[in-house]
Amino acid sequence: NAGVMQNPRHLVRRRGQEARLRCSPMKGHSHVYWYRQLPEEGLKFMVYLQKENIIDESGMPKERFSAEFPKEGPSILRIQQVVRGDSAAYFCASSQLPLTAYSNQPQHFGDGTRLSIL
Amino acid sequence: QQQVKQSPQSLIVQKGGISIINCAYENTAFDYFPWYQQFPGKGPALLIAIRPDVSEKKEGRFTISFNKSAKQFSLHIMDSQPGDSATYFCAAKDKGVSNYQLIWGAGTKLIIKP
Repeated sequence: NAGVMQNPRHLVRRRGQEARLRCSPMKGHSHVYWYRQLPEEGLKFMVYLQKENIIDESGMPKERFSAEFPKEGPSILRIQQVVRGDSAAYFCASSQLPLTAYSNQPQHFGDGTRLSIL
Repeated sequence: QQQVKQSPQSLIVQKGGISIINCAYENTAFDYFPWYQQFPGKGPALLIAIRPDVSEKKEGRFTISFNKSAKQFSLHIMDSQPGDSATYFCAAKDKGVSNYQLIWGAGTKLIIKP
């Protein structure tokens, strides 16, 4: 019974390259959330997606960052023309139902992708 | 206004002792206060959570104490064990905002010495 799967676990890119981070939600989950964690900081919300739809991208930078969750396959977080400041751990979480203001259900986190920019 | 301030940054406790981690907030509209546990190389996992209508919630060895007037809440780990060694994050959420939009504290690295 696999949990949220993220790959790669570690990704090294040079400045100016593209980074693609993948997230496969738990079986039966159609809601995916991406977060960024800088060293010694808590998580910061980036984007919330359902299948084929972006629901909330209020935490995602307008430039260079994009996310998708196609009908088939994993969710992808794409960072174009990476810069040193993009170095962070990126976590994906999923839930079976949408997380609302009064939702008691948890979101299940993957083990993250550690992105290092040289 | 939107911050959650967590202390201490790191904590060393002897096995069997009580670990206490504190968080403070300013926004009186916060209505949900979870604690997450994160082991090295892993994602965070929800440990325990409280809403402001109660002052304490206990689950096994883990207790949240909530002081609404002081705008503070804390995590107590009783009979701390080496397996509790992890980073703990407090978080909070604004009323009416979805549970994925938590404001996270900076984390406390807890080490339990055998």
